[in-house]
Amino acid sequence: DIQMTQSPSSLSASVGDRVTFTCRASQSISTFLNWYQQTPGKAPKVLIYAASFLQSGVPSRFSGSGSGTDFSLTISSLQPEDFAVYYCQHSYNSSSIFGQGTKLQI
Amino acid sequence: QVQLEQSGAEVKKPGASVKVSCTASGYSFSGFYIHWLRQAPGQGLEWVGWINPKSGGTNYTQNFQGRVTMTRDRSITTAYLELNWLQSDDTAVYYCARETRRQESCSDTSCPLYTWLDSWGQGSLVTVAS
Repeated sequence: DIQMTQSPSSLSASVGDRVTFTCRASQSISTFLNWYQQTPGKAPKVLIYAASFLQSGVPSRFSGSGSGTDFSLTISSLQPEDFAVYYCQHSYNSSSIFGQGTKLQI
Repeated sequence: QVQLEQSGAEVKKPGASVKVSCTASGYSFSGFYIHWLRQAPGQGLEWVGWINPKSGGTNYTQNFQGRVTMTRDRSITTAYLELNWLQSDDTAVYYCARETRRQESCSDTSCPLYTWLDSWGQGSLVTVAS
């Protein structure tokens, strides 16, 4: 199975900061990589699909990049509602594995 | 709008079974795979598998092989997850999610099919305790 490793596991930042999360796959997955945001008590919400495409309705301060094994999610200017847990997910084959998540906190 | 409505919380004893439902509305039920995932308290997301509502075909992660069954009833646009032989570490919130796909143009070597989970149910808490 393809394993997904996210770093860091947690990150402290302030409103207005630019932050970047990383996700590494254990083998090449081309651009079959999605990013999700989860706030406490809520279901996850997709932000980015296919490594760099912004899901409809998601603010443009979110962006994704990468291919192969290394990927990143960037928030250009943090807003209060962005403090959450972020997960990457590969969709390379018929199975699906999530990274362990990065918790973004104030 | 697309909605996935899940059944309510359940409390089960070790060794019992649980069946969670996910009722879809606002789109063509047969046109989109439904995935099931779970999240133990304070933990990350664990993928369980998917069902193709059109054919009934399924794909389960190896961790749950032999213990999980996914079914659907197209007449009421509802998907089900049944998990048997429950243990305390099965205590989790179980989510259903709709898979959306995008087929890219074929290159010389491949025809990429991108998939992602674009709509989620609200989650169903299953607690396993004696």
